[in-house]
Amino acid sequence: GIQVEQSPPDLILQEGANSTLRCNFSDSVNNLQWFHQNPWGQLINLFYIPSGTKQNGRLSATTVATERYSLLYISSSQTTDSGVYFCAVSDSGGYQKVTFGIGTKLQVIP
Amino acid sequence: DTGVSQDPRHKITKRGQNVTFRCDPISEHNRLYWYRQTLGQGPEFLTYFQNEAQLEKSRLLSDRFSAERPKGSFSTLEIQRTEQGDSAMYLCASSTRTGEREQFFGPGTRLTVL
Repeated sequence: GIQVEQSPPDLILQEGANSTLRCNFSDSVNNLQWFHQNPWGQLINLFYIPSGTKQNGRLSATTVATERYSLLYISSSQTTDSGVYFCAVSDSGGYQKVTFGIGTKLQVIP
Repeated sequence: DTGVSQDPRHKITKRGQNVTFRCDPISEHNRLYWYRQTLGQGPEFLTYFQNEAQLEKSRLLSDRFSAERPKGSFSTLEIQRTEQGDSAMYLCASSTRTGEREQFFGPGTRLTVL
């Protein structure tokens, strides 16, 4: 099956700093999502971005499908950004089964 | 739109007992997925329904696990003869069949097997 690698695995930021999280995947995809998992376990949708670039406030994401990677940018980080960020992809098969990476654990300190 | 809901949110059981979880998807979504997440890992796919048909099952879904979606609306996941290794967060997600197939997740059911 498709493999998803996320980097870095852990990240500590000072409040106000910027960061880039990376997601590499091993095969062509027709669905890519970024999630933020809060301390209570809820997965919050950030972006649905199988290709191209999207922005939402301080967050933006870019997926270069031909080169099999996606980037999530967090600018002016806040303590509420802390948590685990997951990249999840579906391959080109029919059922949209989603494969997750192991996540990037982000801690933003005041 | 109330989003995906799951019940219960937490379940503590003794080894060997049976447990059942419920998922209510977003009302217009006809695709429903179950995932399992253990500590420090990303969610792992368990099974998928389109309407009432169960179309794909992971090898993670042993014969002690069964999932149903009888009328194509809510779904249940049952674990028989629970084992300590079944302790995990069980997540449900739903999506539409056409257009963007973005999956939306419920809050999860955290299972602890003693």
